[in-house]
Amino acid sequence: SQKIEQNSEALNIQEGKTATLTCNYTNYSPAYLQWYRQDPGRGPVFLLLIRENEKEKRKERLKVTFDTTLKQSLFHITASQPADSATYLCALNMDSNYQLIWGAGTKLIIKP
Amino acid sequence: DVKVTQSSRYLVKRTGEKVFLECVQDMDHENMFWYRQDPGLGLRLIYFSYDVKMKEKGDIPEGYSVSREKKERFSLILESASTNQTSMYLCASRWTGMDNEQFFGPGTRLTVL
Repeated sequence: SQKIEQNSEALNIQEGKTATLTCNYTNYSPAYLQWYRQDPGRGPVFLLLIRENEKEKRKERLKVTFDTTLKQSLFHITASQPADSATYLCALNMDSNYQLIWGAGTKLIIKP
Repeated sequence: DVKVTQSSRYLVKRTGEKVFLECVQDMDHENMFWYRQDPGLGLRLIYFSYDVKMKEKGDIPEGYSVSREKKERFSLILESASTNQTSMYLCASRWTGMDNEQFFGPGTRLTVL
């Protein structure tokens, strides 16, 4: 069956360190992969999109990688801050479909 | 800034009631989406609309219907609410294009008693 996996357990990181979140998928060949941030009681907010022919994308302290061979995307936050604490969702786009296929998200906690 | 608003943040209804959830976006987006979000399951697509009066079923349309009479407004209707429809409901919109981001509303937490 088609599946997207993100770490279900919360990730605890010390402030200032790099946080790395994982998104693994099976049985898909996505054209795009998107990452969103969701704060408690709020809707997700778009962060980054990476295309299948891109290996890496950066935006300020954020970096996303996309390995279509491993079927994996990694999301990095460098110099993490307590304000980065949130749930991070990955979502896949197939090329011929309006839909995004969503992971369940990983809760990130940055400790001061 | 793009704004997506939802009619209620919190809603409590009784089993069997008809429930209307409304979503309005102010950026002239063609595509609009209704999701529900439950712990550990991620976002699941109920319905989406790629243009006015157009709608497509998502992964879990049973028990729901939608209406899009105007471009900016997308309504989700629970014809006869049931307790298993207790959930967070999220509306989103975007410009047409597979690589365009989705903009989300704040969500409606619906409890069906």
